[in-house]
Amino acid sequence: GEDVEQSLFLSVREGDSSVINCTYTDSSSTYLYWYKQEPGAGLQLLTYIFSNMDMKQDQRLTVLLNKKDKHLSLRIADTQTGDSAIYFCAESIGGGATNKLIFGTGTLLAVQP
Amino acid sequence: NAGVTQTPKFQVLKTGQSMTLQCAQDMNHNSMYWYRQDPGMGLRLIYYSASEGTTDKGEVPNGYNVSRLNKREFSLRLESAAPSQTSVYFCASPYPGTSGGRTDTQYFGPGTRLTVL
Repeated sequence: GEDVEQSLFLSVREGDSSVINCTYTDSSSTYLYWYKQEPGAGLQLLTYIFSNMDMKQDQRLTVLLNKKDKHLSLRIADTQTGDSAIYFCAESIGGGATNKLIFGTGTLLAVQP
Repeated sequence: NAGVTQTPKFQVLKTGQSMTLQCAQDMNHNSMYWYRQDPGMGLRLIYYSASEGTTDKGEVPNGYNVSRLNKREFSLRLESAAPSQTSVYFCASPYPGTSGGRTDTQYFGPGTRLTVL
């Protein structure tokens, strides 16, 4: 079955880069996503990458996709205290009207001032 | 434009009680989804509706029923609540895609925090 795995916790200092990793199992995934969840809030879409891309950059965010190894990473440059949150990796399966997302367990990013 | 709204925000139930969680979207999307979030387990799909009048089971449908009342509303019902259903429930609707109009990405409501005693 489909499975998405992430490490549970990452601690970095303000100004450093953060790298959050994710592995997935479904090779037919067309899109892979990163969501951010702040305490007590819902999930906010950060960025996504199409499966035929290797990299996508969006301001401080860089997404790297290694489709061969089914490995996805999110790099946050110049990490700020406001980046402290839980980050979820997700893969889409099905597609079209029946698209479903399979989420990882989430990585708690703690940014130390 | 509120996006996806959910009510209530918080709820405490006793075992065996029933309740309905409401979700509405004002984006005129066809698809809507219900997830539950538990510590250390990420989000798991309960039910989804690809279009008005259709519903399908997700990964963890047991103990729940859903109704797609119209295009705008998708409700989740617990007929006889159990402590194992203590969780945070999120409703989602596709986010406008930018790649050929594809709408795979999902926009989430603020969540309903449910405790079953």
